[in-house]
Amino acid sequence: ILNVEQSPQSLHVQEGDSTNFTCSFPSSNFYALHWYRWETAKSPEALFVMTLNGDEKKKGRISATLNTKEGYSYLYIKGSQPEDSATYLCASYSGAGSYQLTFGKGTKLSVIP
Amino acid sequence: GAGVSQTPSNKVTEKGKYVELRCDPISGHTALYWYRQSLGQGPEFLIYFQGTGAADDSGLPNDRFFAVRPEGSVSTLKIQRTERGDSAVYLCASSQLAGVYNEQFFGPGTRLTVL
Repeated sequence: ILNVEQSPQSLHVQEGDSTNFTCSFPSSNFYALHWYRWETAKSPEALFVMTLNGDEKKKGRISATLNTKEGYSYLYIKGSQPEDSATYLCASYSGAGSYQLTFGKGTKLSVIP
Repeated sequence: GAGVSQTPSNKVTEKGKYVELRCDPISGHTALYWYRQSLGQGPEFLIYFQGTGAADDSGLPNDRFFAVRPEGSVSTLKIQRTERGDSAVYLCASSQLAGVYNEQFFGPGTRLTVL
């Protein structure tokens, strides 16, 4: 069973601040890491699918990096806005022919205007 | 096109009752997944379908839980003799194909409360 950890559990930042949080996963048998954003009362929204060591992906003010050798991924938000307030989830695949995602508990971000 | 939809959005039931939760995936998506998020936890895998067949049901917690996808599109998650511990948000997702690199598109979830 995979163990996917996220930190911090929650985070409060002021509007305009940049922030980042961490996802840790087992480095052995790595296949892919997914990042999702989940706003209250909405569907989880896919942000990135990351596969290669050293990958860096960007979508607007949000970017993510991947280190498969040490088993971590960082998500960065530049110039946080109130609409960035959400829970950010990362998920990894169990591998071995299974396509189930194993999620961390998420980082809940609150951006204060 | 429409995203993944789930009905009902909220369901309150009494302990011991039977419930059905419905998922309509994105048209043309062959893979469909069910997850459950309990309070303070991340979503936990329950089952996934490739077409009409359950390809992996290893996440179903016990035999009170069952899911079907008879025509390879809509899926129903069925819970018999509900218990208070079944209270959670049940999420459905679909992807064009099952695969580690394929993005899963999620519905808004069904919040189940068992009194």
